Amino acid sequence: DTGVSQDPRHKITKRGQNVTFRCDPISEHNRLYWYRQTLGQGPEFLTYFQNEAQLEKSRLLSDRFSAERPKGSFSTLEIQRTEQGDSAMYLCAIPRGEGRYEQYFGPGTRLTVT
Amino acid sequence: GENVEQHPSTLSVQEGDSAVIKCTYSDSASNYFPWYKQELGKRPQLIIDIRSNVGEKKDQRIAVTLNKTAKHFSLHITETQPEDSAVYFCAGQRAGSYQLTFGKGTKLSVIP
Repeated sequence: DTGVSQDPRHKITKRGQNVTFRCDPISEHNRLYWYRQTLGQGPEFLTYFQNEAQLEKSRLLSDRFSAERPKGSFSTLEIQRTEQGDSAMYLCAIPRGEGRYEQYFGPGTRLTVT
Repeated sequence: GENVEQHPSTLSVQEGDSAVIKCTYSDSASNYFPWYKQELGKRPQLIIDIRSNVGEKKDQRIAVTLNKTAKHFSLHITETQPEDSAVYFCAGQRAGSYQLTFGKGTKLSVIP
């Protein structure tokens, strides 16, 4: 248990539909990260929050993607007009440890776009 | 941006032997290098990390070495066990950024 939950764990949707994922850290963390992992690849950075502020965004985060962290606690990631290429595991990560460099992943949300 | 290359992509070792996975990075400003282990269907788990101010770090059977001049770092697993079988990912992080750039992974198989 890394202290973060994600919901839903699995999502199957049809192409063109919108989906929203949620990440809930169990305790307060000023930073929160989103990554995407496609089959057979390493995780790819999407975006990062410092409290409510979205400070870094990857070029992977097209205009169909939006992320929020309204109260500096939980975060949501929305994908509009899903495409088959969006099928992946979406991972949320939080910092833990002494130096705060470490990133610990949640269980992820597996998205399948049919 | 940062580019991290990892090799080999697959590695098979006999139980009890050592395994070494190597990564190179492109951005000389990178200063943090974690390693993750991912078992099938599970989340990547941080197993060890190293910062650029040290050359080596060890935790029981696993160790990581860093050569800043050559811009490469390696994971060493000694006395491998079947439960070490998994995909291992290296990553790099540029100073001033919290973005991790991952390698493509190494599938390690430990043969009993």
